[in-house]
Amino acid sequence: DAGVTQSPTHLIKTRGQQVTLRCSPKSGHDTVSWYQQALGQGPQFIFQYYEEEERQRGNFPDRFSGHQFPNYSSELNVNALLLGDSALYLCASSQGTAPEQYFGPGTRLTVT
Amino acid sequence: AQSVSQHNHHVILSEAASLELGCNYSYGGTVNLFWYVQYPGQHLQLLLKYFSGDPLVKGIKGFEAEFIKSKFSFNLRKPSVQWSDTAEYFCAVITDSWGKFQFGAGTQVVVTP
Repeated sequence: DAGVTQSPTHLIKTRGQQVTLRCSPKSGHDTVSWYQQALGQGPQFIFQYYEEEERQRGNFPDRFSGHQFPNYSSELNVNALLLGDSALYLCASSQGTAPEQYFGPGTRLTVT
Repeated sequence: AQSVSQHNHHVILSEAASLELGCNYSYGGTVNLFWYVQYPGQHLQLLLKYFSGDPLVKGIKGFEAEFIKSKFSFNLRKPSVQWSDTAEYFCAVITDSWGKFQFGAGTQVVVTP
């Protein structure tokens, strides 16, 4: 049974560019949440997708957007990258409103 | 604003020592509480969780945590640590019905042989 998978593992982008990160949830899960973990910090909630809709959102600008596909996989898009967007981006999946979430290994984004 | 505070950023201790990591949250309603661990180079893994019932919960690898509602605390403990417990530990709280986690800043634990 595959857990949560994310791609790519690492990514280097230049300031001003756009990036797309991908996540496949654990088998049987239909809810995907995205988090940003800056160095030395705890993960910060970006948004959550359920039934292909953004269900709730954290305090992140509109440059951060997402999508959920019919197979429950999800993408996180970040436009107009800033140096401060450099972080580990984590995807977590869960079943419906079940509180327990399973995390993927993350995508390390470096903005130069 | 709701927040989660972890008291120590770095803890260094010897094998066989006891470990206690503090976690406090600021929210007056019903909460679901979690401790996650991140071993070097690995993803976040669930150590234990508290939803309701017995406030003393046991997790994997000999860890336990106690929920004290009056103190808004959920401290993590392990009686005797091993070198393999070297990791970063995160306390997390869910305060709504949708499962939005609020994490503490994490505590880096280093266990020396």
